Amino acid sequence: KQEVTQIPAALSVPEGENLVLNCSFTDSAIYNLQWFRQDPGKGLTSLLLIQSSQREQTSGRLNASLDKSSGRSTLYIAASQPGDSATYLCAVLNSGGGADGLTFGKGTHLIIQP
Amino acid sequence: DAGITQSPRHKVTETGTPVTLRCHQTENHRYMYWYRQDPGHGLRLIHYSYGVKDTDKGEVSDGYSVSRSKTEDFLLTLESATSSQTSVYFCAISDYRGAYEQYFGPGTRLTVT
Repeated sequence: KQEVTQIPAALSVPEGENLVLNCSFTDSAIYNLQWFRQDPGKGLTSLLLIQSSQREQTSGRLNASLDKSSGRSTLYIAASQPGDSATYLCAVLNSGGGADGLTFGKGTHLIIQP
Repeated sequence: DAGITQSPRHKVTETGTPVTLRCHQTENHRYMYWYRQDPGHGLRLIHYSYGVKDTDKGEVSDGYSVSRSKTEDFLLTLESATSSQTSVYFCAISDYRGAYEQYFGPGTRLTVT
């Protein structure tokens, strides 16, 4: 059974710092990996999708990497801002593709101090 | 934003009553999913659909049933609600055209008293 772990569970940093969120998964036979953002009381917003054949994806100040063989992904946030405060979730889609649901980590709660 | 709506957005119901949650999409995506989110457990898959009338169970399907009679609608039914089903329920959609990237609805907060 696939398990996804996110470290750290919570992180508080001053504005302007670069930071890295970590995600690990136990079964390397994945189809893709997604990073989401969730604001309190809200739904999930997809940030980045990395397919199993890719090593990284970038969107603005966000960069996500994937090392499928070691079961790891990182989300790098450059020049953090207070508006980046949210919970960040990592999720993997197993190699069955679209017919499967995502397996989620429990998230990293991020606070950016002004 | 992907065109996904959920109704109702909030509901309070009593133990033992039936409850139906609705997910509606305007994206013509083939796959639809129901998840629940609980403190300490994160998001877990309840049921999913891979086409009209084609559904299957997820990790936490006991006490839930689903139906999909049209591409755009996916219904989640709690036949007899229990307090353990108090949760936030999210619907999601995906399609092969988007490399199965999943998009989520705004959620339904259900309280069973």
